[in-house]
Amino acid sequence: QQPVQSPQAVILREGEDAVINCSSSKALYSVHWYRQKHGEAPVFLMILLKGGEQKGHEKISASFNEKKQQSSLYLTASQLSYSGTYFCGTEPDFGNEKLTFGTGTRLTIIP
Amino acid sequence: NAGVMQNPRHLVRRRGQEARLRCSPMKGHSHVYWYRQLPEEGLKFMVYLQKENIIDESGMPKERFSAEFPKEGPSILRIQQVVRGDSAAYFCASSPPQAYGYTFGSGTRLTVV
Repeated sequence: QQPVQSPQAVILREGEDAVINCSSSKALYSVHWYRQKHGEAPVFLMILLKGGEQKGHEKISASFNEKKQQSSLYLTASQLSYSGTYFCGTEPDFGNEKLTFGTGTRLTIIP
Repeated sequence: NAGVMQNPRHLVRRRGQEARLRCSPMKGHSHVYWYRQLPEEGLKFMVYLQKENIIDESGMPKERFSAEFPKEGPSILRIQQVVRGDSAAYFCASSPPQAYGYTFGSGTRLTVV
């Protein structure tokens, strides 16, 4: 079953913060985050494994709450280059390595 | 280290023809995945392959679609007797065996006229 992302779309001014959520109805082994710009391939951002860890680098970080089967992506002090559609990809608890991607969140950063 | 190579980038086929999409995974990646994406929509899983094995084809339509990943050469997604509804972007991704992120190819945009 496809994970649900929220919000569906968000518009921010440069420098503002954003949070994108991803919820699954199934127990999860891992959650992946990808960003896709228009007409391009999705690009891997990070992976979070079962265990509730938080990962990140610079101004993009994420958390994974395995009890709630939820993950959140945090973008701090957004830059114009952050614009794009963000997808979470979930892997079921038994870790069969096939990802099911979420509905997507379109992020637009304006100057 | 070349990334995931997909070709062709754009493919135009008339209804009823066959479309053949190729994907060469990154060096060292043994897992290949195919996804379909319609405009302004998400990525829909089609098939997951390892060398000479189809691991999961639960997202593949039962008819007209097939995929392979031979011992030598690229993975191939084949669509026979294409229809207008097959028009989409088809992305291939690869990963190593452990829990790593996918590396996606640039995709093949299939247009059926």
